[in-house]
Parts: sequence; structure tokens; C-alpha cells
Amino acid sequence: DTEVTQTPKHLVMGMTNKKSLKCEQHMGHRAMYWYKQKAKKPPELMFVYSYEKLSINESVPSRFSPECPNSSLLNLHLHALQPEDSALYLCASSQASGSFYNEQFFGPGTRLTVL
Amino acid sequence: AQSVTQLDSQVPVFEEAPVELRCNYSSSVSVYLFWYVQYPNQGLQLLLKYLSGSTLVKGINGFEAEFNKSQTSFHLRKPSVHISDTAEYFCAVSDPNTDKLIFGTGTRLQVFP
Repeated sequence: DTEVTQTPKHLVMGMTNKKSLKCEQHMGHRAMYWYKQKAKKPPELMFVYSYEKLSINESVPSRFSPECPNSSLLNLHLHALQPEDSALYLCASSQASGSFYNEQFFGPGTRLTVL
Repeated sequence: AQSVTQLDSQVPVFEEAPVELRCNYSSSVSVYLFWYVQYPNQGLQLLLKYLSGSTLVKGINGFEAEFNKSQTSFHLRKPSVHISDTAEYFCAVSDPNTDKLIFGTGTRLQVFP
């Protein structure tokens, strides 16, 4: 299984809502990533988990809260978002961190709209 | 610091014509290079990668790329494109000291019938 799955595919939420994005992989990868992608732009790295520990936080606002319950799952908890947070949120995974290359496998993304 | 430059934001081409998408990188260390494709409303799919060895890398869907160390380039080519190749293409370099992929700004390939 070389697939990264993400749910939901689409999400519409108000600025006072709390919601979560989910990501799952069964490739035995030990590094998982969250990216944010605005239209016509490359993905921007948000968080990296390595061996289920947060290793990189790219100065992301606290209204985004990542969680890695186990080596196969990655969540992104959302609270009090702003309309400018509307974007495609991509999850990715790769072999253990510190590996000499970083081939990342991406999920299909969650299209988030904040009203 | 490593960086990637994709000079062409858009490349229009007719079906069955050849295409080249340009990518230049800067790095002070050994590099690992990738091309990803993103179809509308989808995630990124790996087309091909250069880690070491042969400088000509073949990927999926008939694409290939050539690593040129002296010109610090990793251009993507296809001899004959199809309508279905219409997508956004991202070149990326891996920083071996971190877990980060450094992406270029992307090139929109538009194939016309």
C-alpha cells in the first residue's frame, strides 16, 4: 500500500468552529508532514513529525494544533480559524527522518473553506 | 541555503509536441532532486527523482529529466505531450540536514488540442 489518505475531502467551517483533519499512511513511514497550499502556489510546510514527535513547527499560529497519535496517523486540529486560512491542506509521509533523501508521498488533500 | 528556481510560470504547447520545463537549483551540498505533478484539485504525485548515479532519470507517464551539475539544472522533458498532461509541475530539492523539501514556484503546463 503506497497511499496516503486524507479525510474529509472538503470542509467548510465558521470562524468559531472546531474541526479536525485526518491523515493516514500504512507504508511504515516514520516522518509525516502537514502542508498548506494556496491557489497557484507551491505547498508551504507547516509541521513535521518524526517518530511521532513534533520536530518542525514553521511558526504556525496556535489555532492550528497538530497531533500524531501513532506512527500511521496524523491529525490537524483547527480552532478559531480566519478566512485567510482557506486553502488546500496536504499531508505527506516519508521514510524515517534523517534519511539521506526525502521522497515524500502526498495525500489528495483537504479543501478547507473558512467562512 | 538551498533554493529552486522555475523560470517559466506557464508553458503552453500543442498536443504531440515536445516540451521542456526548466528547473535550476542552488545548493552547497549534495542534492537530491524531484519533480512532482499536481492535477487540478489533487495532491502531488512524484514523477521522478535524482538521488545519484545516471544523470538521465526516467519517470512515469513518459517524462524524463537530466541532472546537470555544472549548470545546476534538472530540466524535465517529454517528447510528445497529451492533453492529460495539463497540470502544475513542481521541482523540489531535498535538504539532507533537515526533513524539508524546498519547492520551486511551479510551472503550469497547458496542452492544447
